Amino acid sequence: EIVLTQSPGTLSLSPGERATLSCRASQSVSSSYLAWFQQKPGQPPRLLIYGASIRATGIPDRFSGSGSGTDFTLTISRLEPEDFAVYYCQQYGSSPPFTFGGGTKVEIK
Amino acid sequence: QVQLQQSGPGLVKPSQTLSVTCAISGDSVSTNSAGWNWIRQSPSRGLEWLGRTYYRSKWYNDYAEFVKSRITINPDTSKNQFSLKLDSVTPEDTAVYYCARGWGSGWYLGIWGRGTLVTVSS
Repeated sequence: EIVLTQSPGTLSLSPGERATLSCRASQSVSSSYLAWFQQKPGQPPRLLIYGASIRATGIPDRFSGSGSGTDFTLTISRLEPEDFAVYYCQQYGSSPPFTFGGGTKVEIK
Repeated sequence: QVQLQQSGPGLVKPSQTLSVTCAISGDSVSTNSAGWNWIRQSPSRGLEWLGRTYYRSKWYNDYAEFVKSRITINPDTSKNQFSLKLDSVTPEDTAVYYCARGWGSGWYLGIWGRGTLVTVSS
């Protein structure tokens, strides 16, 4: 089973600042099958990025994903008020189980 | 567009069976291009993928090892829905249960149900 470790646990930033979130896998993620989700209280996770770097439909271009192998990054170029939330990475593909990271909370400083 | 509507009881007694259903609109449970997943979330355990069902000329299931002995995911083609059953529940199974569609290359989870809070308590 691939274990995903996200860091930092909490990121305290101001609107307009840049956010950089990390997701490290215990073994290589095949075909870059790595997704990023945003979750707000009382809502299901919302897909932001799949294939490590492909924005999902309707996701603003201030969100970008990068990385391959075992190291992946989600970058929010300029934080908007609605971006303060919890972010999760997940590995998926043909070989279950499809594990999630523990999450990074982006909070207002 | 594809939507997933969840239903099921919010309270289950210990040792009983948890059951949640996910009704699909805008797609077919029998499609060859998607998989139908269950995920749960609790404060203590975070997000956990539980399993999936999918159709490729016949029905297949994949289950997470930690629930494999207790879980059943079944499609219902007559109602275009799929269901989760988890046997012999304990308070540790208290969580929000989500259904989600896996689609596209690798079947990323692009569409989610709104979630069903299931509490295991006597």
